[in-house]
Amino acid sequence: DAKTTQPNSMESNEEEPVHLPCNHSTISGTDYIHWYRQLPSQGPEYVIHGLTSNVNNRMASLAIAEDRKSSTLILHRATLRDAAVYYCILSWGSQGNLIFGKGTKLSVKP
Amino acid sequence: DSGVTQTPKHLITATGQRVTLRCSPRSGDLSVYWYQQSLDQGLQFLIQYYNGEERAKGNILERFSAQQFPDLHSELNLSSLELGDSALYFCASSVDPTTGYGYTFGSGTRLTVV
Repeated sequence: DAKTTQPNSMESNEEEPVHLPCNHSTISGTDYIHWYRQLPSQGPEYVIHGLTSNVNNRMASLAIAEDRKSSTLILHRATLRDAAVYYCILSWGSQGNLIFGKGTKLSVKP
Repeated sequence: DSGVTQTPKHLITATGQRVTLRCSPRSGDLSVYWYQQSLDQGLQFLIQYYNGEERAKGNILERFSAQQFPDLHSELNLSSLELGDSALYFCASSVDPTTGYGYTFGSGTRLTVV
């Protein structure tokens, strides 16, 4: 399985940008990078995904390094509701089953 | 409401018993995934079905089995339950079984084995 490395926890202040890093040095050419998050007492929810180019959606932005060995999830203005565990996951080839790691627990301070 | 429905929300049962967890996928999604989340193990992928057929298997115990029915709902059967099986069980669905894009998760079934 392609592996990712994320910090165990991060803190942010409300209304400030948050950059959540993810290292995936063994990524292969067909691996997509996915980000999901899990709010307390809820199931995970999809945030964003990408292959090579940076991606934006209404929730976040995904910045992918040129060599694809790392990526960063960017929350432009953190809110209290963004406090969650954020998972960076690689999917490969024709396998659609996501293998979750331990993720980064993001705390947001008012 | 995510569109993925899991029942029951809570289940308390005794060791050695058997339970069935049910999942109705989001309308139009053909692929269903089961995950187990315990405090010490995190989210563990159990099994994936696509249009009624098993497509991938993860860390699913032999005491556990699953199936996906013609109407696309899925059931996860857990038997000979042990204390260590206490966990949150999540079901997810997606349109495309070949990517990790856009899984939709249900709110889970909390199983407590006493």
